[in-house]
Amino acid sequence: GAVVSQHPSWVICKSGTSVKIECRSLDFQATTMFWYRQFPKQSLMLMATSNEGSKATYEQGVEKDKFLINHASLTLSTLTVTSAHPEDSSFYICSAPLAGAGSSYEQYFGPGTRLTVT
Amino acid sequence: DAKTTQPTSMDCAEGRAANLPCNHSTISGNEYVYWYRQIHSQGPQYIIHGLKNNETNEMASLIITEDRKSSTLILPHATLRDTAVYYCIVRVGPNNDMRFGAGTRLTVKP
Repeated sequence: GAVVSQHPSWVICKSGTSVKIECRSLDFQATTMFWYRQFPKQSLMLMATSNEGSKATYEQGVEKDKFLINHASLTLSTLTVTSAHPEDSSFYICSAPLAGAGSSYEQYFGPGTRLTVT
Repeated sequence: DAKTTQPTSMDCAEGRAANLPCNHSTISGNEYVYWYRQIHSQGPQYIIHGLKNNETNEMASLIITEDRKSSTLILPHATLRDTAVYYCIVRVGPNNDMRFGAGTRLTVKP
């Protein structure tokens, strides 16, 4: 099946610094990718939709100036957490859709990036 | 507004079939039923999806009722590695993004 990778798999940073997370579709092209956040013992929450060649769209309550998204190519989207705070510590997961039969879409998820802000 | 209802948790004996139910009584005619699972500290893994016919692949079977208001994911011979949170999704966003509910935590016991 299709593969989505993320880098790094885990990162520790100091409060006030910025962290960049990469999401790559390895064997297919994705004009759209999605970024999710997952806090402990909770489900995945969609943060934003990354669009190749255009601005990302953010879910309500997600600060676009804090979570910068760039989708510079058909296989790469990046999420930069700016001026990180301890409350930004979470598990960040990206995904990319691949069209299936009919009007269905299968989402392929990356392995996730665990961010810890100290 | 969750469009699916799943039990919070279930147990299954190793080697037995695991049957995970999902209610989606407000599903629209063109909405698919998707199943994903998430093993601890990993990204979700696609399992199977269907529209109205029953589906089977190497991982699982999906049984959808005739009125499409509910479905069951069947893992025919559960192993300890099948312990995970299983998500039934019918709510797909405008860009085909997946909207996750709370899911069912399946524990396979030896």
